[in-house]
Amino acid sequence: KAGVTQTPRYLIKTRGQQVTLSCSPISGHRSVSWYQQTPGQGLQFLFEYFSETQRNKGNFPGRFSGRQFSNSRSEMNVSTLELGDSALYLCASSGLAGTGELFFGEGSRLTVL
Amino acid sequence: AQRVTQPEKLLSVFKGAPVELKCNYSYSGSPELFWYVQYSRQRLQLLLRHISRESIKGFTADLNKGETSFHLKKPFAQEEDSAMYYCALKGDTGFQKLVFGTGTRLLVSP
Repeated sequence: KAGVTQTPRYLIKTRGQQVTLSCSPISGHRSVSWYQQTPGQGLQFLFEYFSETQRNKGNFPGRFSGRQFSNSRSEMNVSTLELGDSALYLCASSGLAGTGELFFGEGSRLTVL
Repeated sequence: AQRVTQPEKLLSVFKGAPVELKCNYSYSGSPELFWYVQYSRQRLQLLLRHISRESIKGFTADLNKGETSFHLKKPFAQEEDSAMYYCALKGDTGFQKLVFGTGTRLLVSP
């Protein structure tokens, strides 16, 4: 079956702009998580959605938000972009609740100039 | 607070040598520990989890609650083991949040 699909794969924005990233989970998976990956901080948890509800949120400012649709697809939005938001944003889906087995997408690489 | 520490950024060994990638964690409850691996030009993927107590691709890891460690071991490294390895912790909240270590790059030379 098809893996987790993230779009766009690469994007460049300037400070102050906003960005929306999209994630399509593996068919049948209802849990979608987002992570930010940077060379300095590694992989950091952003949030998790399950059945359109945000179940958990990491320590990121309110500029970072997300949502999940009824078909389990998820989007995350970052408003008022800062240089430090440049990162690889990874989406992961999971089919079994609470197992910790995540299936990752290839990521969306955001560069903020 | 949940924390995962991988002290080595890079581990370089020769083919056939034993490998041990270190992972220590900090968590007050009952954690679940995982090893994720990312091979070159591939996605991050689950390698193994402590609860399964299984060997995957010759790798094993034992959860030592006394030392709060979950080291990944393989007796004889292969060149195809070269990859980035991440140790991850999941708390006992029932949610899917994972706390990752900063990763160790394993380089196996012929």
